[in-house]
Amino acid sequence: DAKTTQPTSMDCAEGRAANLPCNHSTISGNEYVYWYRQIHSQGPQYIIHGLKNNETNEMASLIITEDRKSSTLILPHATLRDTAVYYCIVKRGSQGNLIFGKGTKLSVKP
Amino acid sequence: DAGVTQSPTHLIKTRGQQVTLRCSPKSGHDTVSWYQQALGQGPQFIFQYYEEEERQRGNFPDRFSGHQFPNYSSELNVNALLLGDSALYLCASSLAGPDTQYFGPGTRLTVL
Repeated sequence: DAKTTQPTSMDCAEGRAANLPCNHSTISGNEYVYWYRQIHSQGPQYIIHGLKNNETNEMASLIITEDRKSSTLILPHATLRDTAVYYCIVKRGSQGNLIFGKGTKLSVKP
Repeated sequence: DAGVTQSPTHLIKTRGQQVTLRCSPKSGHDTVSWYQQALGQGPQFIFQYYEEEERQRGNFPDRFSGHQFPNYSSELNVNALLLGDSALYLCASSLAGPDTQYFGPGTRLTVL
């Protein structure tokens, strides 16, 4: 079973920041937080990952709380093309497989 | 730099048949993982191949088998197809197993 909890769905206005929360209260010290997204019927797209520090790349920012029990993915200026299902996944560094939950369906509206 | 590629894009089979799906990893990657995604669900891990060996397997029956070639490409074989095998089959590649996985576009398999 997935070790994360995410809201089923969220809406965001185009041009505004989208903040997607994820709870992972049972995360272990050697487990990373990964985010992927999946646009309808395409393969999942890697977004970002982190261990305990906040991370930023060209797609998004990842904010991890100090106790590491939750995190937030931030899309700074959402566009219609960001409409997708977003998956938050907890994975050990030595673990091969990704365990996907149901994710959050983000709808960006004009 | 080519990303992960999969073939074919779509496939239709009938119950009891066998199918082979193919995956070429991203340039420089040596590990291939396969996932099954049923409609409305998240992807489920089938197995992972590294150095031509199956190194990890999910909860799938022996009807699902795979192979990795010396050039790191991989095949997924499914025997005795069932209606429930209809799904999007995803391949992901990474460097040395536990590294970040990058997914291909998938193969949509329909079993009639």
